[in-house]
Amino acid sequence: QQQVKQSPQSLIVQKGGISIINCAYENTAFDYFPWYQQFPGKGPALLIAIRPDVSEKKEGRFTISFNKSAKQFSLHIMDSQPGDSATYFCAAMTIQGGSEKLVFGKGTKLTVNP
Amino acid sequence: DTGVSQDPRHKITKRGQNVTFRCDPISEHNRLYWYRQTLGQGPEFLTYFQNEAQLEKSRLLSDRFSAERPKGSFSTLEIQRTEQGDSAMYLCASSLGSGYHYGYTFGSGTRLTVV
Repeated sequence: QQQVKQSPQSLIVQKGGISIINCAYENTAFDYFPWYQQFPGKGPALLIAIRPDVSEKKEGRFTISFNKSAKQFSLHIMDSQPGDSATYFCAAMTIQGGSEKLVFGKGTKLTVNP
Repeated sequence: DTGVSQDPRHKITKRGQNVTFRCDPISEHNRLYWYRQTLGQGPEFLTYFQNEAQLEKSRLLSDRFSAERPKGSFSTLEIQRTEQGDSAMYLCASSLGSGYHYGYTFGSGTRLTVV
C-alpha cells in the first residue's frame, strides 16, 4: 500500500516558469512533510519541510502548500532554472510510537529547458 | 568533507555471494538510518540506530540482511546470499537527534548490482 502518492511522474518546464509537484497522503497521523531533491548519482537532499500547523511555507523560490483536510501538499518552484533539473521526492512521517520511518513518494523527474 | 560517507560507491556481485557496505555518519550525529532505493522509486526505510542500539526494522529487512553499529559510530549493512532483486541503491542517512526534529542528511549511496 503506497502511503504517499506523488504526481506527475515527470515534468518539463521552460526556464523562468513555475514547476508544481503534488502529493497526497493517507495516514492522518503524518505530521512532518519534507521535500527532497536528488541529482543523478547523489543521495536525496532536504529542500524544504512543513508541519500541519501552517498552510504554506516559503524558502526562496521554493514554496510548500499544505491542505490538511484534503490530505495533500505540493511543491512550487518559482522562476525555474536549468540547475533545478533533478528528481524531487515528497515524503511524510509521524513520530508516534517512536517511529523514525520516512515514507517517500515515487518521485518526479523535473527538466527545466533553457 | 563532513557529510555522510558510504563505501563502496558501486558493487557488482554474483548471485549467492555476500556483500557488506559501510556508512560513516556525520560525527556528532547519534542516529543512523538505512534506506533502499530501486530504479524509478523513492527510498524505502530499512532500519535505524540510536547510538549502537537498533531500534526499528522494516519488514523489507529479511533474514538475509543484517545491520550493525557496534560503537555507535560507523555502521555496516550485510546482505547474505544475494539475489537479483537486491539490486538497488543503498542509502545511509544520519541525524543529530530524531530526524523528525533535526532532519536527515543522506549519503550518496552504494549502488549494488547482482548478476
